[in-house]
Amino acid sequence: GENVEQHPSTLSVQEGDSAVIKCTYSDSASNYFPWYKQELGKGPQLIIDIRSNVGEKKDQRIAVTLNKTAKHFSLHITETQPEDSAVYFCAASIVPVYFGSGTKLNVKP
Amino acid sequence: EAQVTQNPRYLITVTGKKLTVTCSQNMNHEYMSWYRQDPGLGLRQIYYSMNVEVTDKGDVPEGYKVSRKEKRNFPLILESPSPNQTSLYFCASRGDTYEQYFGPGTRLTVT
Repeated sequence: GENVEQHPSTLSVQEGDSAVIKCTYSDSASNYFPWYKQELGKGPQLIIDIRSNVGEKKDQRIAVTLNKTAKHFSLHITETQPEDSAVYFCAASIVPVYFGSGTKLNVKP
Repeated sequence: EAQVTQNPRYLITVTGKKLTVTCSQNMNHEYMSWYRQDPGLGLRQIYYSMNVEVTDKGDVPEGYKVSRKEKRNFPLILESPSPNQTSLYFCASRGDTYEQYFGPGTRLTVT
């Protein structure tokens, strides 16, 4: 099956700085790569996703890039705010779905 | 309000005592899934269902059962729980857009 690795496991940034979280996957057949944000005590919530026929997607302060050749994709958050503090998960594939191990992002005011 | 509900939210039980965690969605989604979340391991898929009466194993199905008799419900059954099934469990559903909607989670402790 698919293997998704996510780095770093924790990330601390100053408010206003950028944050980057990286994931790699193993199955070249995977064609859907979502990112989920999990706030304390809640279930994960989709924040952005990208399909394999697209190299980059942006939604306001967040963007995702995909390199199919290298089998890696990244989440970029610009102008971070304290409310961005959460655990972020990358994932790959549609059925079944494989998640990375998560990155705890702490944005310091 | 579109949502996925799970019950109970918290459960403490003893080894071997059968339990069921219910999951229900009101979005008419065909796809439903169960995950467990453990520190450092992320979310791991237990079982998923593409539609009524169709279920498939995920990454970690051992010790779990599911059923999908109705479109809206997808209960998770632990016939003989063991301490290594202590975890945070999430149910999710998905429509045509691939976006998964997660429930609020069930924290299970097996002593």
